Amino acid sequence: DGGITQSPKYLFRKEGQNVTLSCEQNLNHDAMYWYRQDPGQGLRLIYYSQIVNDFQKGDIAEGYSVSREKKESFPLTVTSAQKNPTAFYLCASSIVPDIYGYTFGSGTRLTVV
Amino acid sequence: AQTVTQSQPEMSVQEAETVTLSCTYDTSENNYYLFWYKQPPSRQMILVIRQEAYKQQNATENRFSVNFQKAAKSFSLKISDSQLGDTAMYFCASDSGGSNYKLTFGKGTLLTVNP
Repeated sequence: DGGITQSPKYLFRKEGQNVTLSCEQNLNHDAMYWYRQDPGQGLRLIYYSQIVNDFQKGDIAEGYSVSREKKESFPLTVTSAQKNPTAFYLCASSIVPDIYGYTFGSGTRLTVV
Repeated sequence: AQTVTQSQPEMSVQEAETVTLSCTYDTSENNYYLFWYKQPPSRQMILVIRQEAYKQQNATENRFSVNFQKAAKSFSLKISDSQLGDTAMYFCASDSGGSNYKLTFGKGTLLTVNP
């Protein structure tokens, strides 16, 4: 079955560490997205990519980095520069243009310990 | 920047009754798409319904329908015959239009269906 997989489901990070969240899709979608969800804030766009080897910053890109070396994969690295990384992270994919909306992964909960 | 506003942080409804969730958006584009997503306690985002802005007819999907008012930039969701399984956070989203395809989401409305 086609879908989008995020791993791990739960992730714990120590202060000063970088961590990478995985996102893989087998839907043959060209575009992929990373959103951050905080209580009362809705979903805020971190980065997005519409084609391999190209990506753009979203509204809250500071402290995050991404790569898009393969169509199927769009990993997100939360760097030590992100001062408040505890949140729920959602990855999504879509065709271009996104006229049918997004398919979402099941999310990763990141907690700083 | 594009904005999507959901003015009702929380709502509740009795089982079998009808409820309407509000959403307004701001865009300078003429052709765009609008969506409602549902996020139940599992936190999996599920597409409920979509509307194409160039279509005047309101979209419907079983018990879910929208009231799309393009001039007013309003896109409300009506849930008929509410069921306990409809309890979830509901997010309204707008496509940015143009050639930069990405969705902007509202802050969400937490809907509770009471037995």
